[in-house]
Amino acid sequence: SQQGEEDPQALSIQEGENATMNCSYKTSINNLQWYRQNSGRGLVHLILIRSNEREKHSGRLRVTLDTSKKSSSLLITASRAADTASYFCATDADSNYQLIWGAGTKLIIKP
Amino acid sequence: GAGVSQSPRYKVAKRGQDVALRCDPISGHVSLFWYQQALGQGPEFLTYFQNEAQLDKSGLPSDRFFAERPEGSVSTLKIQRTQQEDSAVYLCASSLGRWRGNQPQHFGDGTRLSIL
Repeated sequence: SQQGEEDPQALSIQEGENATMNCSYKTSINNLQWYRQNSGRGLVHLILIRSNEREKHSGRLRVTLDTSKKSSSLLITASRAADTASYFCATDADSNYQLIWGAGTKLIIKP
Repeated sequence: GAGVSQSPRYKVAKRGQDVALRCDPISGHVSLFWYQQALGQGPEFLTYFQNEAQLDKSGLPSDRFFAERPEGSVSTLKIQRTQQEDSAVYLCASSLGRWRGNQPQHFGDGTRLSIL
């Protein structure tokens, strides 16, 4: 079962614009991670944010976490064609070894 | 490079055949995960190994699915008597230490399984 829901399901923007994707989850978490997946490839880890953190940056990526709303957002600034991919959030569950994944946002950057 | 390697990349089998999918994790990684990913969906957890011990197999969909990691490195996911609903991409991931949710997972490119 999937706990996360990404929003929007698909996003198409012009190169150079900013892209924002949202993730909502259902149960309390310790950590939330964002991954990117290019078509036909495996997932690549982007950033991890802990439940006691509110914001984290890595290069052109900015992640926020609002545990009261059980939601996170991923902002990609100054998008490039190479950012075209699907983006997934994943949360850990307290009592087992699983990451719970959302269905992803498909991002298309138009040159 | 020393990433996670999965083989074969593509596998076509007839319904009822057995298949075996291989995963070579990053050397020294303690944790190994198998996921199933349907088209347009996120990964679904299948099973978790800490070294050679299978600590969580709650995601395996039926007793036709079996995974092993006998020496704590290479892992094999076996599906017996395949069904059409087994068609999916099977992803393997590894992470450095014992799983506590606060580590990145490193993924292979997956095996795309098609059951005819």
